[in-house]
Amino acid sequence: NAGVTQTPKFRVLKTGQSMTLLCAQDMNHEYMYWYRQDPGMGLRLIHYSVGEGTTAKGEVPDGYNVSRLKKQNFLLGLESAAPSQTSVYFCASRNRDRARETQYFGPGTRLLVL
Amino acid sequence: GDSVTQMEGPVTLSEEAFLTINCTYTATGYPSLFWYVQYPGEGLQLLLKATKADDKGSNKGFEATYRKETTSFHLEKGSVQVSDSAVYFCALSKGAQKLVFGQGTRLTINP
Repeated sequence: NAGVTQTPKFRVLKTGQSMTLLCAQDMNHEYMYWYRQDPGMGLRLIHYSVGEGTTAKGEVPDGYNVSRLKKQNFLLGLESAAPSQTSVYFCASRNRDRARETQYFGPGTRLLVL
Repeated sequence: GDSVTQMEGPVTLSEEAFLTINCTYTATGYPSLFWYVQYPGEGLQLLLKATKADDKGSNKGFEATYRKETTSFHLEKGSVQVSDSAVYFCALSKGAQKLVFGQGTRLTINP
């Protein structure tokens, strides 16, 4: 199993450009998440999904959109990138069973917005 | 709202020293508690967890006990190694599908 994978690993954008980050998991997990990690602030939840076709806002959703068209994929979109969105983005997934609630993380995508 | 507070870092220790990283939480109900570790250039990995009061999670020589009376989940290791150098995150979950993280504590172990 590859676990959770993220594409791309690193990207540089100019202010106003758009891009999509792709997260894929092969563990048949129902729940998927997008976090951003900034120095001194831990990880903050951007959006999450509890199943195919459903999404919900997290703690810091502004400036981002998401889609979950297939169970194994969770896409994070930036329509008009801003320097404040420079960060490291992590995707995670977990089983919906409370007894197996551990979240599994991808390796991260480092994004620099100039 | 729910929150997690970790001791401020960075923490620097010598090899074989005793480690404690403090973590306290604020939450209603009965959260599950986690410690995640992030090695340089990698994503987060689960280190250990506890799902109810007085449970002890353990892994790779690390331990943490869920203390409801003090709302704490301190991470300990009796003898650290250089390979333990990483960033450690305390987190809680209430089954509401998401994790709430502390700010992270950077640990450096010198040989």
